[in-house]
Amino acid sequence: GEDVEQSLFLSVREGDSSVINCTYTDSSSTYLYWYKQEPGAGLQLLTYIFSNMDMKQDQRLTVLLNKKDKHLSLRIADTQTGDSAIYFCAEREFGDMRFGAGTRLTVKP
Amino acid sequence: DAGITQSPRHKVTETGTPVTLRCHQTENHRYMYWYRQDPGHGLRLIHYSYGVKDTDKGEVSDGYSVSRSKTEDFLLTLESATSSQTSVYFCAISDLERGPGSNQPQHFGDGTRLSIL
Repeated sequence: GEDVEQSLFLSVREGDSSVINCTYTDSSSTYLYWYKQEPGAGLQLLTYIFSNMDMKQDQRLTVLLNKKDKHLSLRIADTQTGDSAIYFCAEREFGDMRFGAGTRLTVKP
Repeated sequence: DAGITQSPRHKVTETGTPVTLRCHQTENHRYMYWYRQDPGHGLRLIHYSYGVKDTDKGEVSDGYSVSRSKTEDFLLTLESATSSQTSVYFCAISDLERGPGSNQPQHFGDGTRLSIL
């Protein structure tokens, strides 16, 4: 079973912000990642955050990390239809990487 | 994009037949991984390799074997395919030579969709 948990579905309207949440259990994780998977494709690395950071912003993406609660979130500002995909969070300690089950984001026009 | 090629991209075969999936990388990364992706389960690690001829089991290794005779190629074999092995299989690579304290995400191939009838 997963040590990383995500809700399975999220639906938003185009132009709104999307927030995808993730909880993890390994407090010794050094890096946490967000991947995007479009239909028929592999996982594409979107962004990452080092465990000693609280926030990281990269254009429309904002990653928030609450290490005390082991909670990670990905906010997508001004969500577009092209953002419709499955989003995976992942934690890494040394060589092992553990993935959540993925959140399917649907963006409605 | 990381240079990872999976072949074949699609395969349909019958129960009991052997199947080999290939992952080829051009990045000279030391670590290679095989995952399967199933609805509701996310990605589950089957086997991984930390160098030529060095492999280890992952979470769901039963029914699968792997081989790595060259840095660039990592093969996944289903000796006798079963319907429960119908899935999408992903190869990933990672460069851990820089040490565990540095950022070394895994990079993924485009997957192989395998159907076993």
